Amino acid sequence: EDQVTQSPEALRLQEGESSSLNCSYTVSGLRGLFWYRQDPGKGPEFLFTLYSAGEEKEKERLKATLTKKESFLHITAPKPEDSATYLCAVQDGQAGGTSYGKLTFGQGTILTVHP
Amino acid sequence: DTAVSQTPKYLVTQMGNDKSIKCEQNLGHDTMYWYKQDSKKFLKIMFSYNNKELIINETVPNRFSPKSPDKAHLNLHINSLELGDSAVYFCASSQDREWYEQYFGPGTRLTVT
Repeated sequence: EDQVTQSPEALRLQEGESSSLNCSYTVSGLRGLFWYRQDPGKGPEFLFTLYSAGEEKEKERLKATLTKKESFLHITAPKPEDSATYLCAVQDGQAGGTSYGKLTFGQGTILTVHP
Repeated sequence: DTAVSQTPKYLVTQMGNDKSIKCEQNLGHDTMYWYKQDSKKFLKIMFSYNNKELIINETVPNRFSPKSPDKAHLNLHINSLELGDSAVYFCASSQDREWYEQYFGPGTRLTVT
């Protein structure tokens, strides 16, 4: 069964203090790894998709990287508006039948950036 | 302009009642999903429809029944509500079952008393 574990569960940063969030995964065959941002009371907002080890993607202060076992979301010089829960999910390329296309999510990292 | 919308946003009901949540997407996507987010914030997929055909059916109680009248709509009907059904339910859509990115609605917070 696919598994996704995110760490830390919560991270508190000062504005401008760079850090990384970790997503460890176990999957039969990775089809894609996804990062989402979720603000309180809202639905997850898509950030990135990574398909293969070594791939990197950037968006503003966020940079996502992927290895064969984990993904990192690097946050450079964060601002208070970056405060949110960051969710990681995997899609198993070898899942078939009624599990095709299914996303398995981690429990998320709650990021708080203080001014 | 809302891409994926859900109604209602909040639903408070008593045990044993039957309720429905509606979802609509105006993205022209072929595939839609229902997810449940529990109090620990874990998002778990429940169902997925592709062009009105059920393609993902996770282990959920039979009291939950999805219905897709057309590819832009996916509703969730819940019979005989239980306390444990309290959660936030999210609808999502993707271009098709091969497409990776899923776009989520704002969620429906269901509280069963």
